[in-house]
Amino acid sequence: KAGVTQTPRYLIKTRGQQVTLSCSPISGHRSVSWYQQTPGQGLQFLFEYFSETQRNKGNFPGRFSGRQFSNSRSEMNVSTLELGDSALYLCASSSPGQGTGELFFGEGSRLTVL
Amino acid sequence: QQPVQSPQAVILREGEDAVINCSSSKALYSVHWYRQKHGEAPVFLMILLKGGEQKGHEKISASFNEKKQQSSLYLTASQLSYSGTYFCGTPNAGGTSYGKLTFGQGTILTVHP
Repeated sequence: KAGVTQTPRYLIKTRGQQVTLSCSPISGHRSVSWYQQTPGQGLQFLFEYFSETQRNKGNFPGRFSGRQFSNSRSEMNVSTLELGDSALYLCASSSPGQGTGELFFGEGSRLTVL
Repeated sequence: QQPVQSPQAVILREGEDAVINCSSSKALYSVHWYRQKHGEAPVFLMILLKGGEQKGHEKISASFNEKKQQSSLYLTASQLSYSGTYFCGTPNAGGTSYGKLTFGQGTILTVHP
């Protein structure tokens, strides 16, 4: 069974640009969550999508947005990039109501903003 | 409110034991534990539910004290492979959505030969 796939793995952007990150969940998983990981703030929740609907949203500015498609794939977008947006962005998929409630994380997209 | 983990870091020799604690200022419905090795994705270890039910890896044990709003992760007879950063996570109010977890700041565990 293929794991969670995130693309791109690494990217470098400059301030003011925008970026789109993609996440393909494990087949059959309908829930996708996004987290931002930085050395200073740790793992912080961004959003959760389930069946194309945003179910939860973290405490991030409106520059951070996301969506989920009918095949459960998800994208997140960050507009008007700031230096502080440099981070590892992790996507996790799960199958609510089944199994242990485990989140399966992808390896992340490492964003560097110059 | 972010759960608080202690200690922030611990160094062990192979075969030694360690305990990692996770405390919350709000009522806990469940506690989730993950381990992240350097440069890798976090990996699920276990979930502890109210009432004492535990789901996860058999070789790692943990406790969940609902009254004290605490959980502890017990790593016994540590191996080199145990090295990594351990995170506890708590779900939102009501504990119904495991996709939204608030994670502690992490505990860095290093095991030396």
